[in-house]
Amino acid sequence: EAGVTQFPSHSVIEKGQTVTLRCDPISGHDNLYWYRRVMGKEIKFLLHFVKESKQDESGMPNNRFLAERTGGTYSTLKVQPAELEDSGVYFCASSQPPEGGPLGQPQHFGDGTRLSIL
Amino acid sequence: GDSVTQMEGPVTLSEEAFLTINCTYTATGYPSLFWYVQYPGEGLQLLLKATKADDKGSNKGFEATYRKETTSFHLEKGSVQVSDSAVYFCALSENNQGGKLIFGQGTELSVKP
Repeated sequence: EAGVTQFPSHSVIEKGQTVTLRCDPISGHDNLYWYRRVMGKEIKFLLHFVKESKQDESGMPNNRFLAERTGGTYSTLKVQPAELEDSGVYFCASSQPPEGGPLGQPQHFGDGTRLSIL
Repeated sequence: GDSVTQMEGPVTLSEEAFLTINCTYTATGYPSLFWYVQYPGEGLQLLLKATKADDKGSNKGFEATYRKETTSFHLEKGSVQVSDSAVYFCALSENNQGGKLIFGQGTELSVKP
Protein backbone atom coordinates (compact mmCIF):
# COMPACT_ATOMS: atom_id res chain seq x y z
CA GLU A 1 0.00 0.00 0.00
CA ALA A 2 1.42 3.37 -1.02
CA GLY A 3 1.76 5.88 1.79
CA VAL A 4 0.86 9.55 1.83
CA THR A 5 2.89 11.39 -0.79
CA GLN A 6 3.62 15.09 -0.95
CA PHE A 7 5.01 17.23 -3.75
CA PRO A 8 7.36 18.96 -3.94
CA SER A 9 9.67 17.89 -1.15
CA HIS A 10 11.26 21.33 -1.08
CA SER A 11 10.22 24.66 -2.58
CA VAL A 12 12.15 27.92 -2.51
CA ILE A 13 10.32 31.03 -3.72
CA GLU A 14 10.51 34.76 -3.29
CA LYS A 15 8.15 36.79 -1.18
CA GLY A 16 5.06 37.73 -3.14
CA GLN A 17 5.12 34.67 -5.39
CA THR A 18 2.59 31.85 -5.43
CA VAL A 19 3.25 28.25 -4.44
CA THR A 20 1.03 25.19 -4.60
CA LEU A 21 1.66 22.14 -2.48
CA ARG A 22 0.10 18.80 -3.30
CA CYS A 23 -0.85 15.83 -1.16
CA ASP A 24 -1.95 12.38 -2.30
CA PRO A 25 -3.51 10.50 0.63
CA ILE A 26 -3.62 6.77 1.07
CA SER A 27 -6.26 5.29 -1.20
CA GLY A 28 -9.59 4.92 0.58
CA HIS A 29 -8.81 7.42 3.31
CA ASP A 30 -11.66 9.91 3.51
CA ASN A 31 -9.94 12.12 6.06
CA LEU A 32 -7.16 14.44 4.96
CA TYR A 33 -5.38 16.90 7.22
CA TRP A 34 -2.87 19.66 6.65
CA TYR A 35 -0.42 20.74 9.35
CA ARG A 36 2.51 23.14 9.49
CA ARG A 37 5.67 23.33 11.57
CA VAL A 38 7.38 26.67 11.68
CA MET A 39 11.05 27.00 12.75
CA GLY A 40 11.28 24.16 15.28
CA LYS A 41 8.04 25.04 17.03
CA GLU A 42 5.05 22.78 17.52
CA ILE A 43 3.25 21.26 14.58
CA LYS A 44 0.00 23.18 14.11
CA PHE A 45 -3.24 22.00 12.56
CA LEU A 46 -4.38 23.91 9.47
CA LEU A 47 -7.46 22.15 8.18
CA HIS A 48 -9.35 18.91 7.76
CA PHE A 49 -11.20 17.49 4.76
CA VAL A 50 -13.73 14.69 4.82
CA LYS A 51 -13.79 13.55 1.21
CA GLU A 52 -14.12 16.79 -0.77
CA SER A 53 -15.69 18.85 2.03
CA LYS A 54 -13.84 21.11 4.44
CA GLN A 55 -14.76 19.84 7.88
CA ASP A 56 -12.65 22.21 9.92
CA GLU A 57 -10.49 25.07 8.65
CA SER A 58 -10.03 26.79 11.98
CA GLY A 59 -6.26 26.58 11.76
CA MET A 60 -5.83 28.38 8.45
CA PRO A 61 -3.74 31.45 9.25
CA ASN A 62 -5.33 33.91 6.81
CA ASN A 63 -6.97 34.24 3.40
CA ARG A 64 -3.66 33.93 1.56
CA PHE A 65 -4.01 30.18 2.09
CA LEU A 66 -6.44 28.20 -0.06
CA ALA A 67 -6.95 24.47 0.22
CA GLU A 68 -8.89 22.25 -2.15
CA ARG A 69 -9.55 18.57 -2.49
CA THR A 70 -10.70 17.73 -5.97
CA GLY A 71 -13.19 14.86 -6.10
CA GLY A 72 -12.20 13.79 -2.63
CA THR A 73 -8.85 12.44 -3.80
CA TYR A 74 -5.67 14.51 -3.76
CA SER A 75 -5.49 17.91 -2.10
CA THR A 76 -3.67 21.14 -2.87
CA LEU A 77 -2.66 23.96 -0.60
CA LYS A 78 -1.96 27.25 -2.36
CA VAL A 79 -0.22 30.19 -0.75
CA GLN A 80 -0.75 33.47 -2.62
CA PRO A 81 1.08 35.75 -2.14
CA ALA A 82 3.71 34.08 0.01
CA GLU A 83 5.15 35.99 2.96
CA LEU A 84 8.34 35.37 4.93
CA GLU A 85 6.44 33.97 7.92
CA ASP A 86 4.96 31.22 5.74
CA SER A 87 8.31 29.40 5.73
CA GLY A 88 8.19 26.02 7.39
CA VAL A 89 7.43 22.37 6.81
CA TYR A 90 3.92 21.53 5.63
CA PHE A 91 2.68 18.06 6.47
CA CYS A 92 -0.27 16.21 5.07
CA ALA A 93 -1.89 13.26 6.82
CA SER A 94 -4.76 10.92 6.07
CA SER A 95 -6.84 8.46 8.03
CA GLN A 96 -9.72 6.09 7.62
CA PRO A 97 -13.13 7.01 8.97
CA PRO A 98 -14.45 7.60 11.51
CA GLU A 99 -12.50 10.81 11.73
CA GLY A 100 -10.55 10.60 14.96
CA GLY A 101 -13.24 8.68 16.65
CA PRO A 102 -13.29 7.35 20.19
CA LEU A 103 -10.57 4.87 19.34
CA GLY A 104 -8.18 7.54 18.15
CA GLN A 105 -7.85 6.43 14.54
CA PRO A 106 -4.17 7.03 13.73
CA GLN A 107 -3.18 9.44 11.02
CA HIS A 108 -0.57 8.54 8.40
CA PHE A 109 1.78 11.35 7.51
CA GLY A 110 3.67 12.26 4.39
CA ASP A 111 7.32 13.31 4.43
CA GLY A 112 6.33 16.98 4.28
CA THR A 113 7.12 19.89 1.98
CA ARG A 114 9.82 22.26 3.19
CA LEU A 115 8.80 25.75 2.04
CA SER A 116 11.38 28.52 2.11
CA ILE A 117 10.34 32.10 1.39
CA LEU A 118 13.19 34.46 0.53
CA GLY B 1 -7.92 25.50 24.55
CA ASP B 2 -6.25 22.14 24.44
CA SER B 3 -2.46 22.05 24.56
CA VAL B 4 0.52 19.72 24.90
CA THR B 5 3.78 20.53 26.63
CA GLN B 6 6.95 18.51 26.15
CA MET B 7 10.34 18.76 27.77
CA GLU B 8 12.70 20.87 25.75
CA GLY B 9 15.53 19.33 23.81
CA PRO B 10 17.91 18.49 22.54
CA VAL B 11 18.43 15.43 24.70
CA THR B 12 21.77 13.69 24.28
CA LEU B 13 22.29 10.20 25.66
CA SER B 14 24.83 7.44 25.38
CA GLU B 15 23.81 4.14 23.85
CA GLU B 16 22.00 1.83 26.30
CA ALA B 17 21.01 4.72 28.57
CA PHE B 18 17.48 5.07 29.97
CA LEU B 19 15.24 7.56 28.23
CA THR B 20 12.37 9.63 29.57
CA ILE B 21 10.70 12.39 27.60
CA ASN B 22 8.06 14.18 29.64
CA CYS B 23 4.72 15.14 28.16
CA THR B 24 1.78 16.80 29.89
CA TYR B 25 -1.46 17.97 28.41
CA THR B 26 -4.52 20.10 29.02
CA ALA B 27 -7.81 19.09 27.48
CA THR B 28 -11.46 19.96 27.91
CA GLY B 29 -12.61 16.42 27.19
CA TYR B 30 -11.20 12.92 27.29
CA PRO B 31 -8.56 12.78 24.57
CA SER B 32 -6.61 10.01 22.93
CA LEU B 33 -2.85 10.43 23.33
CA PHE B 34 -0.08 9.70 20.87
CA TRP B 35 3.65 9.72 20.40
CA TYR B 36 4.91 10.36 16.89
CA VAL B 37 8.55 10.10 15.76
CA GLN B 38 10.32 11.81 12.89
CA TYR B 39 13.57 10.21 11.81
CA PRO B 40 16.04 12.37 9.86
CA GLY B 41 14.79 13.06 6.35
CA GLU B 42 11.49 11.27 6.89
CA GLY B 43 7.91 12.09 7.75
CA LEU B 44 6.10 11.55 11.03
CA GLN B 45 5.39 7.99 12.07
CA LEU B 46 3.03 6.87 14.79
CA LEU B 47 5.12 5.31 17.56
CA LEU B 48 2.41 4.42 20.06
CA LYS B 49 -0.96 5.49 21.36
CA ALA B 50 -3.35 5.18 24.29
CA THR B 51 -7.05 5.91 24.25
CA LYS B 52 -8.13 5.74 27.90
CA ALA B 53 -6.80 6.25 31.39
CA ASP B 54 -4.19 3.73 32.58
CA ASP B 55 -3.73 2.35 29.07
CA LYS B 56 -0.11 1.64 28.22
CA GLY B 57 1.01 2.09 24.63
CA SER B 58 4.16 0.28 23.58
CA ASN B 59 6.20 -0.24 20.43
CA LYS B 60 9.87 -0.88 19.55
CA GLY B 61 10.80 -0.94 23.24
CA PHE B 62 9.16 2.42 23.93
CA GLU B 63 6.31 2.75 26.43
CA ALA B 64 3.98 5.46 27.65
CA THR B 65 1.11 5.26 30.14
CA TYR B 66 -1.97 7.48 30.00
CA ARG B 67 -2.15 9.12 33.44
CA LYS B 68 -5.37 11.04 33.79
CA GLU B 69 -4.71 12.12 37.38
CA THR B 70 -1.48 13.86 36.40
CA THR B 71 -2.51 14.63 32.79
CA SER B 72 0.71 13.07 31.57
CA PHE B 73 1.92 10.66 28.89
CA HIS B 74 5.67 10.35 29.43
CA LEU B 75 7.69 8.36 26.90
CA GLU B 76 10.23 5.85 28.24
CA LYS B 77 12.72 3.36 26.88
CA GLY B 78 15.01 1.22 28.96
CA SER B 79 17.99 1.11 26.63
CA VAL B 80 18.29 3.51 23.70
CA GLN B 81 20.18 2.81 20.49
CA VAL B 82 21.87 5.12 18.01
CA SER B 83 19.02 4.35 15.60
CA ASP B 84 16.56 5.97 18.04
CA SER B 85 18.01 9.39 17.25
CA ALA B 86 15.03 11.40 16.00
CA VAL B 87 12.52 14.08 16.96
CA TYR B 88 9.68 12.86 19.17
CA PHE B 89 6.28 14.55 19.26
CA CYS B 90 3.59 14.08 21.87
CA ALA B 91 0.06 14.75 20.63
CA LEU B 92 -3.58 14.54 21.62
CA SER B 93 -6.82 14.21 19.75
CA GLU B 94 -10.20 15.07 21.21
CA ASN B 95 -12.95 12.67 20.28
CA ASN B 96 -15.39 15.37 19.18
CA GLN B 97 -13.01 17.47 17.09
CA GLY B 98 -12.74 15.50 13.89
CA GLY B 99 -9.52 13.79 14.80
CA LYS B 100 -7.25 16.80 14.47
CA LEU B 101 -4.01 16.40 16.37
CA ILE B 102 -2.62 18.95 18.80
CA PHE B 103 1.12 18.57 19.09
CA GLY B 104 3.81 19.50 21.54
CA GLN B 105 6.88 21.30 20.24
CA GLY B 106 8.91 18.15 19.75
CA THR B 107 11.97 16.84 21.55
CA GLU B 108 15.11 16.08 19.60
CA LEU B 109 16.96 12.99 20.83
CA SER B 110 20.57 12.29 19.90
CA VAL B 111 22.08 8.95 20.94
CA LYS B 112 25.86 8.66 20.83
CA PRO B 113 27.71 5.33 20.47
